[in-house]
Amino acid sequence: KAGVTQTPRYLIKTRGQQVTLSCSPISGHRSVSWYQQTPGQGLQFLFEYFSETQRNKGNFPGRFSGRQFSNSRSEMNVSTLELGDSALYLCASSGGTGVRDTQYFGPGTRLTVL
Amino acid sequence: EDQVTQSPEALRLQEGESSSLNCSYTVSGLRGLFWYRQDPGKGPEFLFTLYSAGEEKEKERLKATLTKKESFLHITAPKPEDSATYLCAVQATGGSYIPTFGRGTSLIVHP
Repeated sequence: KAGVTQTPRYLIKTRGQQVTLSCSPISGHRSVSWYQQTPGQGLQFLFEYFSETQRNKGNFPGRFSGRQFSNSRSEMNVSTLELGDSALYLCASSGGTGVRDTQYFGPGTRLTVL
Repeated sequence: EDQVTQSPEALRLQEGESSSLNCSYTVSGLRGLFWYRQDPGKGPEFLFTLYSAGEEKEKERLKATLTKKESFLHITAPKPEDSATYLCAVQATGGSYIPTFGRGTSLIVHP
């Protein structure tokens, strides 16, 4: 079974630009969660999508948004990039039922904002 | 509010020197506790899920145990390839299914 895939793996952007990251979950998984990981803050939850609907949301500004498609693939968008947005962005997929539900992570997208 | 605290923050071991990593948690009710391993610049790799106090799981040199307030990840006779950051996360009953992650323990095993 193929794992979670994320594209692109690396991105370099400048302040003020916007960026879109993509995540393909494990086949059969309906929940996709996004996390931001930085050395100072650790893993911080951004949002979770389940069956094309945002089901949970973390404490991030509205510049961070996402969506999920009918095939469960998900995209995350960050508008008006700031230097502090430089981080490893991780996508995790799970069945989404909550019962004995384990998240499996992708390799991440390393975003650098200059 | 759910809280997860991992200790120590960093641990250096000699090859073959066994030790334990700690994950203490505060949740209203525990649905599951997860251990992940993360190599630098990569996504966390799932290791174990524990669901109830007294449960234990093993994988090669790793053994995870769970009590009502904490979990331990025991590393027996570690090798340099066990060097990584180990993350603990808890999923609470009620509310969302989103796990709360600890900050991790960075383990370095010297040959």
